[in-house]
Amino acid sequence: KQEVTQIPAALSVPEGENLVLNCSFTDSAIYNLQWFRQDPGKGLTSLLLIQSSQREQTSGRLNASLDKSSGRSTLYIAASQPGDSATYLCAAHEGGSEKLVFGKGTKLTVNP
Amino acid sequence: DTGVSQNPRHKITKRGQNVTFRCDPISEHNRLYWYRQTLGQGPEFLTYFQNEAQLEKSRLLSDRFSAERPKGSFSTLEIQRTEQGDSAMYLCASSPAPLYGYTFGSGTRLTVV
Repeated sequence: KQEVTQIPAALSVPEGENLVLNCSFTDSAIYNLQWFRQDPGKGLTSLLLIQSSQREQTSGRLNASLDKSSGRSTLYIAASQPGDSATYLCAAHEGGSEKLVFGKGTKLTVNP
Repeated sequence: DTGVSQNPRHKITKRGQNVTFRCDPISEHNRLYWYRQTLGQGPEFLTYFQNEAQLEKSRLLSDRFSAERPKGSFSTLEIQRTEQGDSAMYLCASSPAPLYGYTFGSGTRLTVV
């Protein structure tokens, strides 16, 4: 059974700081790992998708890495902005299934 | 491509009533997924379809819940005899295949009073 854990649960940083969000998963038989952003009361917006054969993906100020052997992924946000304030969720498939398992998320607050 | 569309955005219902939600996936996606999210938690898998076939259901999907995707296009999720514990955000996602990741809709917020 896949279990996804995200640390920290909440993070508050001043504007301009670089930060790292952590995600760990127990079952390495994944198709890919996906990072999402969720604003309060809204749906999920996909940020980055890392295929199981890849080590990292980049989009603008975001960089996500994947280490299947250790069951870890990190999301790096450079030069954070108040508009980055949201909950960030990572998700991985349960082995042999199309079921996507989510962590509880990291709530990020970027203070002006 | 207008993304994944969910209706209604919000639903308030009295305990014991039936409710139905609709999801319109991205047109070329043959896979459609339903998730439920309660406050402070990550989304939890409910069920998924490949075309019109319902291929997997979670234990969370009690007999009061039913989902359909009759023509392999839009899907409906019905909850019968709603309970206060059903209050949550119901999210729909679609995908052409797991390898390509999921696209989520904006969700339907259900409040049972």
